[in-house]
Amino acid sequence: NAGVTQTPKFQVLKTGQSMTLQCAQDMNHEYMSWYRQDPGMGLRLIHYSVGAGITDQGEVPNGYNVSRSTTEDFPLRLLSAAPSQTSVYFCASSYKNTIYFGEGSWLTVV
Amino acid sequence: QQQVKQSPQSLIVQKGGISIINCAYENTAFDYFPWYQQFPGKGPALLIAIRPDVSEKKEGRFTISFNKSAKQFSLHIMDSQPGDSATYFCAASGNNNDMRFGAGTRLTVKP
Repeated sequence: NAGVTQTPKFQVLKTGQSMTLQCAQDMNHEYMSWYRQDPGMGLRLIHYSVGAGITDQGEVPNGYNVSRSTTEDFPLRLLSAAPSQTSVYFCASSYKNTIYFGEGSWLTVV
Repeated sequence: QQQVKQSPQSLIVQKGGISIINCAYENTAFDYFPWYQQFPGKGPALLIAIRPDVSEKKEGRFTISFNKSAKQFSLHIMDSQPGDSATYFCAASGNNNDMRFGAGTRLTVKP
């Protein structure tokens, strides 16, 4: 019973580098999302998808891209990493208002 | 602009005491109010949720109190235990699945 799986768990990037955070869910949920968690800011929505082929921006989308080619996968791409993107990233899938989070990806940009 | 305001930022309670975390929201279109619990190194997980047609919901030691007119809701943890030590997030959403989270409260229950 995997739920929402994120990789990698930890990553250090240099400013300007690009990378992709992988996310997969096995619950057949249509709705998936990416959040970032920063101290004192709670969880802020980056991008979300209501189904394969459909994505939209959340509260803090700048510097990030997403795609949704299948129901299962929802990768998050950092185009040119900046120190302000140092954060913990959570992928999630949702069903009937309940959000199921992955275990998080700790990203440091130096 | 934070649509859901949560307080306190941190809370220390003795074992057996009552932990109370408060949240306030602005958007009257919100109609679903969950609380999430997060342990260190883990993702948040749904703890309990309420809709505005009731003023209180209880599940075991956890109770949500909801005041629609004041646009406030709170989480009460009765008989708090060291295992309850975690970060708690309140949240709110409307019918568009757009969930807005509070800033979080770090609860420490001392034995």
